[in-house]
Amino acid sequence: EVQLVESGGGLVQPGGSLRLSCAASGFTFSSYWMHWVRQAPGKGLVWVSRINNDGSTTNYADSVKGRFTISRDNAKNTLYLQMNSLRAEDTAVYYCAKLVGATTELDCWGQGTLVTVSS
Amino acid sequence: QSVLTQPPSASGTSGQRVTISCSGSSSNIGSNNVYWYQQFPGTAPKLLIYRNNQRPSGVPDRFSGSKSGTSASLAISGLRSEDEADYYCVAWDDSLSGRVFGGGTKLTVL
Repeated sequence: EVQLVESGGGLVQPGGSLRLSCAASGFTFSSYWMHWVRQAPGKGLVWVSRINNDGSTTNYADSVKGRFTISRDNAKNTLYLQMNSLRAEDTAVYYCAKLVGATTELDCWGQGTLVTVSS
Repeated sequence: QSVLTQPPSASGTSGQRVTISCSGSSSNIGSNNVYWYQQFPGTAPKLLIYRNNQRPSGVPDRFSGSKSGTSASLAISGLRSEDEADYYCVAWDDSLSGRVFGGGTKLTVL
């Protein structure tokens, strides 16, 4: 069964840091681009970042560029999101996702992990 | 303000056909594939349509997608109460070098 399980969310003060993890199973993790997507409470989905299969290429939304870093460990089938200089507007459920693309039809999402930035 | 524009709400009665629009630009919908997701409260999104008009296995053929120029649409025919959910379009944006989502459309089945 294809599965993504996020962890690492929680309450953090403004300016603080947090690292999210996403454990993948049931598919060849090392073959695919992986993404982070977030959703603020009561709001819509927002794409955050992506990383290619070997970790050599990354892209970020302007809102997190320079503060967030996406990475992966293919030996551990795990995706990461290091979040620094957190702001109140970063409060959201963060989803790890393997998104369908031009050449792959596999699409799966984790259950999400809540990050709350508040003093 | 989302890069892709969707109506915030849509509605229809059981059995009706409803359409949800998604408007973009030449850097996203105009030059890349469009995907549609369905999301129920408290759950992760589920893929409904990929590459503009393709349905994953298990998605009823009541759901269909289309694209023309810089706009795309999701159509739901034979509306059912269980279709009441939020719907999002998404596409790659060449200028932003990232995926962009629409703001979402809340569908109500009257």
